[in-house]
Amino acid sequence: EDQVTQSPEALRLQEGESSSLNCSYTVSGLRGLFWYRQDPGKGPEFLFTLYSAGEEKEKERLKATLTKKESFLHITAPKPEDSATYLCAVQATDSWGKLQFGAGTQVVVTP
Amino acid sequence: DAGVTQSPTHLIKTRGQQVTLRCSPKSGHDTVSWYQQALGQGPQFIFQYYEEEERQRGNFPDRFSGHQFPNYSSELNVNALLLGDSALYLCASSLGGTTEAFFGQGTRLTVV
Repeated sequence: EDQVTQSPEALRLQEGESSSLNCSYTVSGLRGLFWYRQDPGKGPEFLFTLYSAGEEKEKERLKATLTKKESFLHITAPKPEDSATYLCAVQATDSWGKLQFGAGTQVVVTP
Repeated sequence: DAGVTQSPTHLIKTRGQQVTLRCSPKSGHDTVSWYQQALGQGPQFIFQYYEEEERQRGNFPDRFSGHQFPNYSSELNVNALLLGDSALYLCASSLGGTTEAFFGQGTRLTVV
């Protein structure tokens, strides 16, 4: 069965203090790995899709990378507005659209 | 360009009642998926609709059912509500099942 594990569960950062979030996954065949940002009480906001090991994508202070077993979301010089829960999800080649999510990492960035 | 819209935003129901949640997909999208998110957890896949048919289903009982209309909008129905059905219900749309999924703001369902 496909499985996604995110660590740490929570992360408290000072503004400007860079860090990384981890997403470990097991899947029969990977179609894509997705990163979402979720603010309290709202729906997830799409950030990135990664399709193959070695791929990297960047958006402002966020950079996502992918290996055959895990993905990292690097937050460089975070600002308070980066505070959110970051969700990782995998889509298997035989699932046609179903996303298997991890529990998320709650990030709090203090001024 | 309107994104994914869900209604209502909040709902309170009594145990045993039935509820219907609605979703309009992002313009140009033809596939709608529904997820249940309990507090502090990641979204759990309920089912997915494409061409007005249920394409895939997660591990949810038959009390959860759905429908997709010709304009691609969708409904999620839950019968015989249990206290444990209290959650944020999310709708996601995509083009086919292989592109990025975009989520609505969710419907917060509280069962009392």
